[in-house]
Amino acid sequence: EVQMLESGGGLVQPGGSLRLSCAASGFTFSSYVISWVRQAPGKGLEWVSGISGSGGSTYYADSVKGRFTISRDNSKNTVYLQMNNLRGDDTAVYYCASSRGPLYLFDYWGQGTLVTVSS
Amino acid sequence: QSVLTQPPSVSAAPGQKVTISCSGSSSNIGNNYVSWYQQLPGTAPKLLIYDNNKRPSGIPDRFSGSKSGTSATLGITGLQTGDEADYYCGTWDSSLNSVVFGGGTKVTVL
Repeated sequence: EVQMLESGGGLVQPGGSLRLSCAASGFTFSSYVISWVRQAPGKGLEWVSGISGSGGSTYYADSVKGRFTISRDNSKNTVYLQMNNLRGDDTAVYYCASSRGPLYLFDYWGQGTLVTVSS
Repeated sequence: QSVLTQPPSVSAAPGQKVTISCSGSSSNIGNNYVSWYQQLPGTAPKLLIYDNNKRPSGIPDRFSGSKSGTSATLGITGLQTGDEADYYCGTWDSSLNSVVFGGGTKVTVL
């Protein structure tokens, strides 16, 4: 059974940093692109970042480019999202999602972790 | 403002059919496959349709997808109360070099 479990969310002040983790199991982790997709309270889905199976290619939405860094450790079946210089509009539930094919096709999703940016 | 345009809400009685439109442009829907996701209240999204019209294992054939030009459509037949959810379309935008989603459509079963 495929499982994806996010962790690391919480309350952080504007300008602060946070690192999210996504631990996966039940599939050949290194063969899958993994993305982060966020959802602000009461709003729709917004793709944030993605990383290839090998980790050699990374992709970012313009809204987070230069502030967020995605990485992965295939020996631990885990993807990370380092978020720096956080702003109020980064407040959202962050989901990790797997893609067996193209970057934009999300086969499985985790349950999400809430990030709140507030003073 | 989402790159892909969906109606905010649709509704129908149990057993009826609803369709949800997703409108884009040549840089996204016009030249890429479309996926659809179902998000039940308080839960994570779930893949419903991929490659415009394919259903993952376990998704009932009451759900269907189609694409024509720069628009895509999700259809739900035999509507059930358990289908009440938000539905999102998504694809790749070659101009933005980004994954894009529609704003979401809330389905209400009357």
